[in-house]
Amino acid sequence: EAGVTQFPSHSVIEKGQTVTLRCDPISGHDNLYWYRRVMGKEIKFLLHFVKESKQDESGMPNNRFLAERTGGTYSTLKVQPAELEDSGVYFCASSQVAGSADTQYFGPGTRLTVL
Amino acid sequence: GQNIDQPTEMTATEGAIVQINCTYQTSGFNGLFWYQQHAGEAPTFLSYNVLDGLEEKGRFSSFLSRSKGYSYLLLKELQMKDSASYLCAVGTDSWGKLQFGAGTQVVVTP
Repeated sequence: EAGVTQFPSHSVIEKGQTVTLRCDPISGHDNLYWYRRVMGKEIKFLLHFVKESKQDESGMPNNRFLAERTGGTYSTLKVQPAELEDSGVYFCASSQVAGSADTQYFGPGTRLTVL
Repeated sequence: GQNIDQPTEMTATEGAIVQINCTYQTSGFNGLFWYQQHAGEAPTFLSYNVLDGLEEKGRFSSFLSRSKGYSYLLLKELQMKDSASYLCAVGTDSWGKLQFGAGTQVVVTP
């Protein structure tokens, strides 16, 4: 069974540009989570999809971040325009059943560098 | 405030035992997770505790005391491949939202 995949693995862009990150969850997993780790800090929750609906987007930093999950399969996270403080590693995770008892499987992350 | 604290780094010898402590103070509690993360790779699930007590899984064990806001991960018979970052995370709601500690880097030496 394929795990959670993320694309690209690395992205280097200039301040003001737009970047779109993609996450493909494990097939059949309705729950998809985005997290971010900025340099030297802990991994922080960004948002949670149940199928195509946003269940919780309380961790999204500001309106420069837009997440979508059309069709309830893969998800994209767009940053527009990117700022220096957006640099970090963006992780995606998926789980079959929503709830803390269910394991979240993480992808390898996308390392974003904004110059 | 809300925080999850764990040591930054621990060093131990191959074959030894290491205990990684985690204390937490969060707005909600719906279980405590431990993840292992090798550099540049995905965090991988190790253990989950929601009730007080010890959960054993092979060389790894995890303990939880909800009244003390405390957990530990015990790694026995350390192997070189156990060198990694170990992340303590608390499920803070019924939807699976995780709050993470900063991670403990374990270095296993020959």
